[in-house]
Amino acid sequence: AQSVTQLGSHVSVSEGALVLLRCNYSSSVPPYLFWYVQYPNQGLQLLLKYTSAATLVKGINGFEAEFKKSETSFHLTKPSAHMSDAAEYFCAVGYQAGTALIFGKGTTLSVSS
Amino acid sequence: NAGVTQTPKFQVLKTGQSMTLQCAQDMNHNSMYWYRQDPGMGLRLIYYSASEGTTDKGEVPNGYNVSRLNKREFSLRLESAAPSQTSVYFCASSELWDSNQPQHFGDGTRLSIL
Repeated sequence: AQSVTQLGSHVSVSEGALVLLRCNYSSSVPPYLFWYVQYPNQGLQLLLKYTSAATLVKGINGFEAEFKKSETSFHLTKPSAHMSDAAEYFCAVGYQAGTALIFGKGTTLSVSS
Repeated sequence: NAGVTQTPKFQVLKTGQSMTLQCAQDMNHNSMYWYRQDPGMGLRLIYYSASEGTTDKGEVPNGYNVSRLNKREFSLRLESAAPSQTSVYFCASSELWDSNQPQHFGDGTRLSIL
């Protein structure tokens, strides 16, 4: 069965440090890939989407993600963490036309001062 | 610019009670979804409506029913609530039913069943 794996349910960084949140998918065919962010007591918001136009995708709030086919990965990064980045982040994968998105279990990002 | 609106935001039920969660979107989207979110489980799809007039089961449909009332509204009903249905429920919508479509989410309904 198709799946998506987010490595690390909880990531802690210091303010100003690099943020790296990992996402791996299970398919030899490049899928559709998304990152969402969820702030406390809110719904999910789209951060960025991979459309196959470019392997490096820039999203909102300074986040970006790189599609690596050889590693079946779509990791999310931000060069310098801010306190306001503390949230839960979800990777989502769409494998075939006419099918539902599959969401990862989420990674909670904590940012300390 | 409301997007996806869910009501109520919070609800406490007793085991065996019934309840309908309401969802409406104002983006003229064709497809709508109901998810539940539980700690450590991510989002799991309960039901979806690919277009007005159609509904289909998702990953965890047992104990739930849905109605696509019109293009804007998609409701989720718990006929006889059970403690295992304590969760945060999210409604989402997308322009089309396809896995390349980003979904837009409401702020959720926090449901506790005692």
